Amino acid sequence: GQQVMQIPQYQHVQEGEDFTTYCNSSTTLSNIQWYKQRPGGHPVFLIQLVKSGEVKKQKRLTFQFGEAKKNSSLHITATQTTDVGTYFCAGVISGGSYIPTFGRGTSLIVHP
Amino acid sequence: KAGVTQTPRYLIKTRGQQVTLSCSPISGHRSVSWYQQTPGQGLQFLFEYFSETQRNKGNFPGRFSGRQFSNSRSEMNVSTLELGDSALYLCASSLGFSGWSSEQFFGPGTRLTVL
Repeated sequence: GQQVMQIPQYQHVQEGEDFTTYCNSSTTLSNIQWYKQRPGGHPVFLIQLVKSGEVKKQKRLTFQFGEAKKNSSLHITATQTTDVGTYFCAGVISGGSYIPTFGRGTSLIVHP
Repeated sequence: KAGVTQTPRYLIKTRGQQVTLSCSPISGHRSVSWYQQTPGQGLQFLFEYFSETQRNKGNFPGRFSGRQFSNSRSEMNVSTLELGDSALYLCASSLGFSGWSSEQFFGPGTRLTVL
């Protein structure tokens, strides 16, 4: 079945360093969504990417959707302790049954 | 505007029992989705409802069922509980036709423990 692989599983950074998490799908995606979940919390929607090659920015966060719509990335510039949490991607197969598949998430730990 | 609410927040059941979880979406949202989150499997899609109709269903056994009422509130039911059903069950609502065409808002979840 469809799989969305997300790497790395964990990332430790010093405050102020950059962070990137990657999602890769075995099949073309219709769209991809990114979420953040704080420890003990629930997922919070960050963004949706739909177009091939799309790049969107939210302050220090940059999201990209690959040209083939099979991969995506989230980059955080100059991390802060408030960025701590797990970042998930979730994609829906293009032309498929519209069932979303989540990546396993990348847990970001920021050391002050 | 109040967020997505889920009741109960915590639940302990024993194997073989059944359980019903409730979700109240944000006012005006007609799409409700359910997810299961476990350390082993991560987040998995259960089903999605819009205007009382199930639009999509994930790869879960028939023991997992749901429904949506005319006021958009939704319930999910798990019958004949198994130890592996222990999880955080999350509900999400969206304004659009589907949670996968627009922003989804998640509730705090119901933590189900099966003993």
